[in-house]
Amino acid sequence: QKEVEQDPGPLSVPEGAIVSLNCTYSNSAFQYFMWYRQYSRKGPELLMYTYSSGNKEDGRFTAQVDKSSKYISLFIRDSQPSDSATYLCAMSADFGNEKLTFGTGTRLTIIP
Amino acid sequence: DTAVSQTPKYLVTQMGNDKSIKCEQNLGHDTMYWYKQDSKKFLKIMFSYNNKELIINETVPNRFSPKSPDKAHLNLHINSLELGDSAVYFCASSQMTGPYEQYFGPGTRLTVT
Repeated sequence: QKEVEQDPGPLSVPEGAIVSLNCTYSNSAFQYFMWYRQYSRKGPELLMYTYSSGNKEDGRFTAQVDKSSKYISLFIRDSQPSDSATYLCAMSADFGNEKLTFGTGTRLTIIP
Repeated sequence: DTAVSQTPKYLVTQMGNDKSIKCEQNLGHDTMYWYKQDSKKFLKIMFSYNNKELIINETVPNRFSPKSPDKAHLNLHINSLELGDSAVYFCASSQMTGPYEQYFGPGTRLTVT
């Protein structure tokens, strides 16, 4: 069993819909939680970063962490075709440059 | 003004050959990484260097050897290439003292035939 599980999708939703992407994890030492977006044939880029449990909002994106359930989510409101990409969750136990453990990624397509 | 660059972008080679991938970052970061992304998009760290010192070395075959001539460069040399080495290899960099974000390069798509 992988340390971080993520539904690979693919997930297709119409433009304007709310998208929910999720990851579960098994390592209770994880404290830092990130969401990366990866466009086709590109490197991942950091979207959101949260520490411990709680919510964080940035424009149309909201990240949620529930450490008691070992479950994290990324919500995308008013989804746009430009949001079509693979979304990777990532986690680490320590701040700084402790290794990141990634989920397998969810491929998302927003249909115009 | 590319932040993290990798060369080559594509690499096609035969089994048994030795190849190198180069990475350079111009962000002034002190930590650099190599990741491997397989065909299922699973991204896994291989190595991490901080100021030219190896700090993370995951369970990677000895055929893979990273080299950091200075903190702006981290190269990856692979000996005796195998079919299973086919993947996309990403270089990344970050600052040990923060901010936390790891910046990724565009990737090198390695195909071993």
